[in-house]
Amino acid sequence: AQTVTQSQPEMSVQEAETVTLSCTYDTSENNYYLFWYKQPPSRQMILVIRQEAYKQQNATENRFSVNFQKAAKSFSLKISDSQLGDTAMYFCACGSYQKVTFGTGTKLQVIP
Amino acid sequence: GAGVSQTPSNKVTEKGKYVELRCDPISGHTALYWYRQSLGQGPEFLIYFQGTGAADDSGLPNDRFFAVRPEGSVSTLKIQRTERGDSAVYLCASSRTSANTGELFFGEGSRLTVL
Repeated sequence: AQTVTQSQPEMSVQEAETVTLSCTYDTSENNYYLFWYKQPPSRQMILVIRQEAYKQQNATENRFSVNFQKAAKSFSLKISDSQLGDTAMYFCACGSYQKVTFGTGTKLQVIP
Repeated sequence: GAGVSQTPSNKVTEKGKYVELRCDPISGHTALYWYRQSLGQGPEFLIYFQGTGAADDSGLPNDRFFAVRPEGSVSTLKIQRTERGDSAVYLCASSRTSANTGELFFGEGSRLTVL
């Protein structure tokens, strides 16, 4: 079994500023992947960034980067130069075998 | 189609009725997932198909829920004797391989309301 915890139900950030969303997880698997998905009001979930647990180097994708602390089972998402289009729900997820488990989400509001 | 297609986008039904929700995955994707998302919650795993077979159905809440994927492409989630607690958005996702390693591509979901 695996669990994903997001302790920040809501966050806000000024446009062009940087924000960090927190996530902790627990899994008994040795091989697993971690994800951040974005869900705008349209409901369609979109992958933001992915991290292989066996890789020590933190993944980056343009303005999005992660801080992966394997021993602490922590996987935070940093959004730099926040844009109005970043306003959405953000879900942290952990995948092992055939199942991907999601957290409860963080609602991010980018303020102009 | 280019993306995952789900129909209907909205379904309102009465308690006790039977409901079918359809998912048409991205062409060539062998893995297909159903998730349920209640208001204010993250997606909750229901069932995973690899090809035609259900590889993991451990998330189905009870025997009123059933899903099929007879030809390894389109999948149908079937809910019998619906209850008010079944109200949620049902999300379908597909992946080229297994979603734990690859990207999940989601549809826009089917919002089910049971009155």
